[in-house]
Amino acid sequence: GAGVSQSPSNKVTEKGKDVELRCDPISGHTALYWYRQRLGQGLEFLIYFQGNSAPDKSGLPSDRFSAERTGESVSTLTIQRTQQEDSAVYLCASSRGQQGNTIYFGEGSWLTVV
Amino acid sequence: QKEVEQDPGPLSVPEGAIVSLNCTYSNSAFQYFMWYRQYSRKGPELLMYTYSSGNKEDGRFTAQVDKSSKYISLFIRDSQPSDSATYLCAMTLSGNTPLVFGKGTRLSVIA
Repeated sequence: GAGVSQSPSNKVTEKGKDVELRCDPISGHTALYWYRQRLGQGLEFLIYFQGNSAPDKSGLPSDRFSAERTGESVSTLTIQRTQQEDSAVYLCASSRGQQGNTIYFGEGSWLTVV
Repeated sequence: QKEVEQDPGPLSVPEGAIVSLNCTYSNSAFQYFMWYRQYSRKGPELLMYTYSSGNKEDGRFTAQVDKSSKYISLFIRDSQPSDSATYLCAMTLSGNTPLVFGKGTRLSVIA
């Protein structure tokens, strides 16, 4: 597709379960970013990939959060043993990864932990 | 002090008004500045992109960057009800490093 694609668009899960969120970046974009946005809040950086390596994981909030990326393609964000405070929209973005290139967002995966 | 400060609003204006949205920041190394528009339950959509100081105009939108004051602005002329959204400022050190966002300003344009 033309844009960043994320799935699922909505997910309701029980506390303690694991969830996987998927991001398919724009074709040709080498850089991929995950952000979290809690209700009424700004975007909180989680992790950044350049190709399939992650030079910046500084935003991952705990060891329950992990992410991987296959080549310069799909990325998966995994949250283990979900907690209610994990409820948020998880936004993925991609860019060409070159100096001065802009970053484009997907529509997000809306996670509710009950 | 947060890296990027943005008044969350809400800001309510009548249709046709000029809207001014602002952010301040603390890191003088930021070089790339962006404004995103986010409609309810949608992902952020890039509106304006500016490198370093100066002005950039695109239709009804003008972005200004004043690096000496660490202050950026977005002006919307002839505002329309369809401009009602949350506006997020964002900035970064280089073009391929993570963006740092403000919390967003919620704007309502009343017909």
